[in-house]
Amino acid sequence: AQKVTQAQTEISVVEKEDVTLDCVYETRDTTYYLFWYKQPPSGELVFLIRRNSFDEQNEISGRYSWNFQKSTSSFNFTITASQVVDSAVYFCALPNTGNQFYFGTGTSLTVIP
Amino acid sequence: NAGVTQTPKFRVLKTGQSMTLLCAQDMNHEYMYWYRQDPGMGLRLIHYSVGEGTTAKGEVPDGYNVSRLKKQNFLLGLESAAPSQTSVYFCASSYSLAGRYEQYFGPGTRLTVT
Repeated sequence: AQKVTQAQTEISVVEKEDVTLDCVYETRDTTYYLFWYKQPPSGELVFLIRRNSFDEQNEISGRYSWNFQKSTSSFNFTITASQVVDSAVYFCALPNTGNQFYFGTGTSLTVIP
Repeated sequence: NAGVTQTPKFRVLKTGQSMTLLCAQDMNHEYMYWYRQDPGMGLRLIHYSVGEGTTAKGEVPDGYNVSRLKKQNFLLGLESAAPSQTSVYFCASSYSLAGRYEQYFGPGTRLTVT
């Protein structure tokens, strides 16, 4: 069965600091996808990124970057120069071949102005 | 384009009462899902549907029933509500083969059972 671990329950940073959110996963699948979602205080879930297990290249989107390392089963998310609007709960997710998403327990990020 | 909508947004029930949560999507997605979110637990899958007329159990299906009579709608029912079902419920949909495609989420329904 799939398993996702987000060991950091809560993180606080001061605005403009960089922050990395950790995600460690377990799967027996040889091919899989990993996802990150953001849940701002308003409550909705916003899709951020999808990554195929075949592609270990780091991805950068503006201030966001993702580091996928198959050797350590990790898919970490870094926010550079954090802003108050980044305050949210961030979830890492790993679906199985039966179309069920398994979410981590989330990391609550607070960016202090 | 409304995306995924949920009705109602808030509800308070007494133990033993029943209710139905409605999820609707206008993206013509085949797959639909119901999750519950509890503090410190992340999102857990209750039931899901891979197409009109089909449903399947997820990780925490006990106490819930679902129906998918129309492709765009997915209903979640609580026949006899219990305080343990106090939670935020999210509906989601995806194009196909959810392991490859992102799920689009509704705004959530906050349910309190007293």
